[in-house]
Amino acid sequence: AQSVTQLGSHVSVSEGALVLLRCNYSSSVPPYLFWYVQYPNQGLQLLLKYTTGATLVKGINGFEAEFKKSETSFHLTKPSAHMSDAAEYFCAVSEGEYGNKLVFGAGTILRVKS
Amino acid sequence: GAGVSQSPSNKVTEKGKDVELRCDPISGHTALYWYRQRLGQGLEFLIYFQGNSAPDKSGLPSDRFSAERTGESVSTLTIQRTQQEDSAVYLCASSLLYGYTFGSGTRLTVV
Repeated sequence: AQSVTQLGSHVSVSEGALVLLRCNYSSSVPPYLFWYVQYPNQGLQLLLKYTTGATLVKGINGFEAEFKKSETSFHLTKPSAHMSDAAEYFCAVSEGEYGNKLVFGAGTILRVKS
Repeated sequence: GAGVSQSPSNKVTEKGKDVELRCDPISGHTALYWYRQRLGQGLEFLIYFQGNSAPDKSGLPSDRFSAERTGESVSTLTIQRTQQEDSAVYLCASSLLYGYTFGSGTRLTVV
């Protein structure tokens, strides 16, 4: 069965600092991996996804993530945090295409300090 | 429509009452999902519809929960005899290929 572990339920960084949100997954087949962001009182928005091909994936708002099969990881990074990045971030894994259900991690709340 | 639409956006109901939550997916999206998000917790899978296939109901927490979808259009999630632990945001998503598009959710409060 698939599972996702997000290390750290809360992460705090200073404005301008590197953002690193960790995600490890387990899957019995090559995974499809996703990061979603949820701003307060809003729905989830897709940040980026890895399906096949290049393992470094770029998303919206300057975020990127790297799929590392050997480490079963898909960590999310951003070189310089902005106040507007404060939100909750969810990592998710799917075992296939065409709408297979996603399994989500518990989420990481990112706080950005001025 | 352009996005996934859910209604109502907020619902307050008395314990023991039945509620219906509605989801309008993006036109052409064959897959539709319901998730539940309790306060401070991650997303909990409830049910998944894919085209005309039998739905995957493996996440429904009890027989008080049911969902229907007509073809590839609207879906309704019904909770019977609501309990306080049903209070949560219920999120609907639809997809065609990779990843989902989520609606804004229905915040259900059982008092």
